[in-house]
Amino acid sequence: AQSVTQLGSHVSVSEGALVLLRCNYSSSVPPYLFWYVQYPNQGLQLLLKYTTGATLVKGINGFEAEFKKSETSFHLTKPSAHMSDAAEYFCALPSGNTPLVFGKGTRLSVIA
Amino acid sequence: DVKVTQSSRYLVKRTGEKVFLECVQDMDHENMFWYRQDPGLGLRLIYFSYDVKMKEKGDIPEGYSVSREKKERFSLILESASTNQTSMYLCASSLYPRGDTEAFFGQGTRLTVV
Repeated sequence: AQSVTQLGSHVSVSEGALVLLRCNYSSSVPPYLFWYVQYPNQGLQLLLKYTTGATLVKGINGFEAEFKKSETSFHLTKPSAHMSDAAEYFCALPSGNTPLVFGKGTRLSVIA
Repeated sequence: DVKVTQSSRYLVKRTGEKVFLECVQDMDHENMFWYRQDPGLGLRLIYFSYDVKMKEKGDIPEGYSVSREKKERFSLILESASTNQTSMYLCASSLYPRGDTEAFFGQGTRLTVV
């Protein structure tokens, strides 16, 4: 079965610094991949998704992710962190005929 | 915009009570899901449904059941609540069951069983 692994349950960056959140996937077929964000006391909302085509995917709020098949990775980046980016981030992919399978999440803290 | 609405943001129930968590979506989506979210464990799938009156078990169905009598509504039932069911519950819906389709989430219900 397909799965995702997020490296680092908590990442802390300074305001204005680069954000890098790591996601590796396990899939026997070319995957669809998603990043979701969860702000405190809210549900999840889609940041971006990779389906086919361009491997660099741009999402909302200045985030982007690059699909690297050779590394089975889909890391999320943002050049300059804002305080409002503090949230929990989840990588996900569909698994067979079932809905999305999620990673365990990475909590991003932004320090002023 | 798609809206997924969960009936309660916070619930406190006693051990042994029967608990109903309600979820309604307004975009005519075929598919609806219930996830449970716990710190360090991410989101785990409890049940999902591809159509009215259809249901499929997810990864952790024990202690739960579901009901989907109408397309827009998907209910999660805790037959006899236990303290280890204290958690955040998230409902979601999507147009298609798999592939590149985005899932839309409700705000979540934080359930405490005492």
